[in-house]
Amino acid sequence: EVQLVESGGGLVQPGGSLRLSCVASTFTFSDLFVDWVRQAPGKGLEWIGRSKSQRYSYTTEYAASVTGRFAISRDDSKNSVYLQMNSLKTEDTAVYYCAAIRGSLGSWGQGTLVTVSS
Amino acid sequence: QAVVTQEPSLTVSPGGTVTLTCGSNTGPVTSGHFPYWFQQKPGQAPRTLIYDLTNKHSWTPARFSGSLLGGKAALSLSGAQPEDEADYYCILSSGGARVFGGGTKLTVL
Repeated sequence: EVQLVESGGGLVQPGGSLRLSCVASTFTFSDLFVDWVRQAPGKGLEWIGRSKSQRYSYTTEYAASVTGRFAISRDDSKNSVYLQMNSLKTEDTAVYYCAAIRGSLGSWGQGTLVTVSS
Repeated sequence: QAVVTQEPSLTVSPGGTVTLTCGSNTGPVTSGHFPYWFQQKPGQAPRTLIYDLTNKHSWTPARFSGSLLGGKAALSLSGAQPEDEADYYCILSSGGARVFGGGTKLTVL
């Protein structure tokens, strides 16, 4: 099973930017679809977006709520996927998870907390 | 973007059976929505239980099963255990995007 580790969370002011990283332990990272999911305090899970595999030309998909502000990229040489978050709002405060949840893969990272506050 | 609905809360007795459902406002849920089910306990990351409607992971207890029921994806729990008390989420795929349901808080009491 794939192991995923997120990093990069922290405190940021409204309007600011932050980049989260997700490192995966797998020898076939280029075959991996990686999703980003967040969970606001006391709330449910929200799908943010996804980076598809090399076979699918690394296409990205996003939820409407973050389109235009968030961007997903990846560096297969580092087994890493990134979530660039711009123009952050207080309502973006959440634990952010990366996950490999496609087909028979069902892995989640431990999450990283992002707090948007002045 | 579709809206995915789940029961906000359900209660099951220890040893009992309960079914959680996952519906879509766009119409019947099918295998083509690739339904997944996740379990989340307080302070923990979610854990994947069911993928692609009916398939279990190696760590999924045998008492959990996935199916279609009345136009919705369903997660059935037979022989509930105290450790099954948790929040349960489904996710559906539609047009490249994925949407989570609001989650079901399952109480074993």
